[in-house]
Amino acid sequence: DIQMTQSPSSMSASLGDRVTITCQASQDIGNNLIWFQQKPGKSPRPMIYYATNLANGVPSRFSGSRSGSDYSLTISSLESEDMADYHCLQYKQYPWTFGGGTKLELK
Amino acid sequence: QVQLQQSGTELVKPASSVKISCKASGYTFTSNYMHWIRQQPGNGLEWIGWIFPGNGNTKYNQKFDGKATLTADKSSSTAYMQLSSLTSEDSAVYFCAAAISNYFDYWGQGVMVTVSS
Repeated sequence: DIQMTQSPSSMSASLGDRVTITCQASQDIGNNLIWFQQKPGKSPRPMIYYATNLANGVPSRFSGSRSGSDYSLTISSLESEDMADYHCLQYKQYPWTFGGGTKLELK
Repeated sequence: QVQLQQSGTELVKPASSVKISCKASGYTFTSNYMHWIRQQPGNGLEWIGWIFPGNGNTKYNQKFDGKATLTADKSSSTAYMQLSSLTSEDSAVYFCAAAISNYFDYWGQGVMVTVSS
């Protein structure tokens, strides 16, 4: 199975900060990666498709990038509504696998 | 608008089975994959598998072989997942998610399954 190593597992940041979350893939997944946001008690919401493409309705402060086997989700200027858990998912190879998640909290 | 309405909370006994549902509306149920995802308490997400309701084809995460069975009823636009031989490890929230414009773009609200005697 492809392992998606997500870091950090938790972090705290201040409003207006630039925040980056990373997933490292254990094998080549191309750009077959989705980033999700999940708020407490809610279903996950896709934020970024195909590693770099913003999903419909997602604010432009969110972006996705790739460097080799490292995939990053960046929030350029943190807002209060961004406090949530974030998950990555690879869908290159079965079984599709998620990263361990990142809990983003307000400092 | 697209909606996925999942069935309610389940409290079930160990070694039993449970069947949870996901009723779809607002799109062509038979033309889009339906995925199922598990989230154990305090844990991350796990992909269980998908079903293509148009022909009943399924793909499972091997981890859930023998544990989860995915079916779909075209007449009611409802997808089902049966979980068998339940243990405390199966206590989790289970989501359905439809792939319509993109993978996983619409989600149900989740069903909490608690396995306890």
